[in-house]
Amino acid sequence: QKEVEQNSGPLSVPEGAIASLNCTYSDRVSQSFFWYRQYSGKSPELIMSIYSNGDKEDGRFTAQLNKASQYVSLLIRDSQPSDSATYLCAVNTADKLIFGTGTRLQVFP
Amino acid sequence: GAGVSQSPSNKVTEKGKDVELRCDPISGHTALYWYRQSLGQGLEFLIYFQGNSAPDKSGLPSDRFSAERTGGSVSTLTIQRTQQEDSAVYLCASSLWGTEPQHFGDGTRLSIL
Repeated sequence: QKEVEQNSGPLSVPEGAIASLNCTYSDRVSQSFFWYRQYSGKSPELIMSIYSNGDKEDGRFTAQLNKASQYVSLLIRDSQPSDSATYLCAVNTADKLIFGTGTRLQVFP
Repeated sequence: GAGVSQSPSNKVTEKGKDVELRCDPISGHTALYWYRQSLGQGLEFLIYFQGNSAPDKSGLPSDRFSAERTGGSVSTLTIQRTQQEDSAVYLCASSLWGTEPQHFGDGTRLSIL
């Protein structure tokens, strides 16, 4: 089992819809969780961090964490074509972050 | 500059040559990471530094790859006797310490002819 798993996609949603991206992790003691966005040909950029169970909202983005079920998700409301990118989940282990392979999101007009 | 700086941004070299890639992390960041990303693929972890020591070198694909970090700052990734399969974007990231969010440089695009 991979330490951090994501569906590779592509996830296709129409403009204005909610995009839901999911990530599961294997290390029960993980405490820090991050979402990165990577546009084609660019480097990953940090968009959300979450440390406690529940929801954390930032603009159109909401991160959700459920430590008991070992999953973290990212919701993007009112999806825009400019949201089309690969979204990477990152989870801490004892001493470093582990990245998932990413989910490709396509938002079509 | 405030961000992670990598050089060169692009490197084209012939098969069999050695290359050196440089990463200058954000000032004060103790953790530094090297990743490789081939076209359309995910991040491939190569090596992690905490200060000048490398507690995790598990991702280095062969003994042709080596990395060092000096003064707790700049790091150099060296690839000896390059092969065509080494062609990829090499990304460097740094963080305050190991479990904090990482900040990425723009990468070095390496092409082996």
